[in-house]
Amino acid sequence: GIQVEQSPPDLILQEGANSTLRCNFSDSVNNLQWFHQNPWGQLINLFYIPSGTKQNGRLSATTVATERYSLLYISSSQTTDSGVYFCAAGTTSGTYKYIFGTGTRLKVLA
Amino acid sequence: GAGVSQSPRYKVAKRGQDVALRCDPISGHVSLFWYQQALGQGPEFLTYFQNEAQLDKSGLPSDRFFAERPEGSVSTLKIQRTQQEDSAVYLCASTQSWDGGYTFGSGTRLTVV
Repeated sequence: GIQVEQSPPDLILQEGANSTLRCNFSDSVNNLQWFHQNPWGQLINLFYIPSGTKQNGRLSATTVATERYSLLYISSSQTTDSGVYFCAAGTTSGTYKYIFGTGTRLKVLA
Repeated sequence: GAGVSQSPRYKVAKRGQDVALRCDPISGHVSLFWYQQALGQGPEFLTYFQNEAQLDKSGLPSDRFFAERPEGSVSTLKIQRTQQEDSAVYLCASTQSWDGGYTFGSGTRLTVV
């Protein structure tokens, strides 16, 4: 089955800094999502991005499916960006599950 | 509704008790998913519904776990004879179609003592 790896596992930033989070997946996928889990445990969908590039405010994401990776960019980080960022990869071949990575734990310092 | 609603928010069960966890998805969302999240881990897939049909239950860890969505809206995840290893947050997500972005509920934190 699909394996999903995220890096770095932990990241500490000063407010205002930029960062790039990476998600590698082991197999061809049809779908990929990025989520932010806030300190209260709520999972928020950031991007549904099986391929290409999308931007939403200070966040953007790029997926290169042929090379089996996706990147999440956070610019001008804020303390409210703290939490865990997960990518989740899915395939239509015989199952409907998304496989989540182990996450990148981000702490933004004021 | 405006979001995915899960209840109860917290549940403490004695080992051996049966529990039922409820998920009320966004109105009109065809696809509904259940995930289990252990402390410090990413969510793990349990089961998927398209309307009332359970199309994938490959992630249910044992026959003590059972999920249903009889009218294609509200779903219930039932765990029989709970054990300590069942302690986790149980998350429900819905989406208009499988190939769309998920909206997650706030989860039910189950603690088995």
